[in-house]
Amino acid sequence: NAGVMQNPRHLVRRRGQEARLRCSPMKGHSHVYWYRQLPEEGLKFMVYLQKENIIDESGMPKERFSAEFPKEGPSILRIQQVVRGDSAAYFCASREWGFANSPLHFGNGTRLTVT
Amino acid sequence: TQLLEQSPQFLSIQEGENLTVYCNSSSVFSSLQWYRQEPGEGPVLLVTVVTGGEVKKLKRLTFQFGDARKDSSLHITAAQPGDTGLYLCAGAWGDSNYQLIWGAGTKLIIKP
Repeated sequence: NAGVMQNPRHLVRRRGQEARLRCSPMKGHSHVYWYRQLPEEGLKFMVYLQKENIIDESGMPKERFSAEFPKEGPSILRIQQVVRGDSAAYFCASREWGFANSPLHFGNGTRLTVT
Repeated sequence: TQLLEQSPQFLSIQEGENLTVYCNSSSVFSSLQWYRQEPGEGPVLLVTVVTGGEVKKLKRLTFQFGDARKDSSLHITAAQPGDTGLYLCAGAWGDSNYQLIWGAGTKLIIKP
């Protein structure tokens, strides 16, 4: 029973390149959440998706960032034209449908470094 | 702006000692969660407290939610090296438990 899988674990991009982060939720989970964690800080909510729908993107920067969760395949967080300030750990979490307060299960994150 | 402040930021103690870490806010939360995060991994949920004054125990860990639901504490009895990690608290409001406000964490090191 695999947990939340994120890849790659580490991603290095030069300024101006695109970063694509992938997240496969736990089996049976249809809700996916993306968070960003800066060093020495807590996590910050970015976006909440269900299959083919963005439910809440209030935490996502308006420019350069986008997220999707297609009918088939993993959820993707895309950052276009990366800048040094995008360097952070990006965590994906998932939970079961129909249980509003069921626990969030986190992946091990993708550590993005922008050089 | 809602903020959750955790203290201390860093704590290093000997195995067998007791410790308490705190999570404080001026905001009222509908629930508060405690997580432990190991280096290179994602946070793992330890407990959720919902009712003001609630106390939950998880083996040697005791979690308390303040009466006014603005603060919480985590007490560890007879700490073990396996307790080493980053302890994060996260507060939720309304019906949502994903739009969490996160503290910056307490980095705990238990020396054998």
